Amino acid sequence: LAKTTQPISMDSYEGQEVNITCSHNNIATNDYITWYQQFPSQGPRFIIQGYKTKVTNEVASLFIPADRKSSTLSLPRVSLSDTAVYYCLVGDPRGGNTPLVFGKGTRLSVIA
Amino acid sequence: DTEVTQTPKHLVMGMTNKKSLKCEQHMGHRAMYWYKQKAKKPPELMFVYSYEKLSINESVPSRFSPECPNSSLLNLHLHALQPEDSALYLCASSQGDSQETQYFGPGTRLLVL
Repeated sequence: LAKTTQPISMDSYEGQEVNITCSHNNIATNDYITWYQQFPSQGPRFIIQGYKTKVTNEVASLFIPADRKSSTLSLPRVSLSDTAVYYCLVGDPRGGNTPLVFGKGTRLSVIA
Repeated sequence: DTEVTQTPKHLVMGMTNKKSLKCEQHMGHRAMYWYKQKAKKPPELMFVYSYEKLSINESVPSRFSPECPNSSLLNLHLHALQPEDSALYLCASSQGDSQETQYFGPGTRLLVL
């Protein structure tokens, strides 16, 4: 399983763009990168998933360089409600009995 | 319906009690999961059911006993728990097997006295 490394915490002011980087040096050819968001006392929520280059949805963008050894989750114009823990997971969504493992996550604090 | 529901929301039990946690989804997902999450830690996978069969048991003590009565329901039976088992227990489901996007329930906050 590809191990992931993220910053433990980040602070940001409201309205700023936040970029959270995840390192996954031993990512496998078939692995995708998936990000989840978790608010206190709630279950994690899927944010975005990608394989290469750039993926964008209504919530975030995911940037993946050509070597795929890292990825960056970009949250545009954060608000107080974006304060949460963000987890980066790496794995092959097409199968196998090897489950995804949550890393330690990045605790984002948005300040007014 | 894109929701995973869990009951109860909170549970307090003694070390000699027997209780069960319940999880339900109606998204037609064929894989369901139990996770344990301690405060300020990431979720830790406990069990995976794929097509109603236990496919992964992450060396969980036998005082935790999962059950999947049908494709929509997942139970976790608890017996003789220890205070260190106090945690948030999360249920999740996914369309297929382990690596697909998982939908999580809100969790059951368990306190063992």
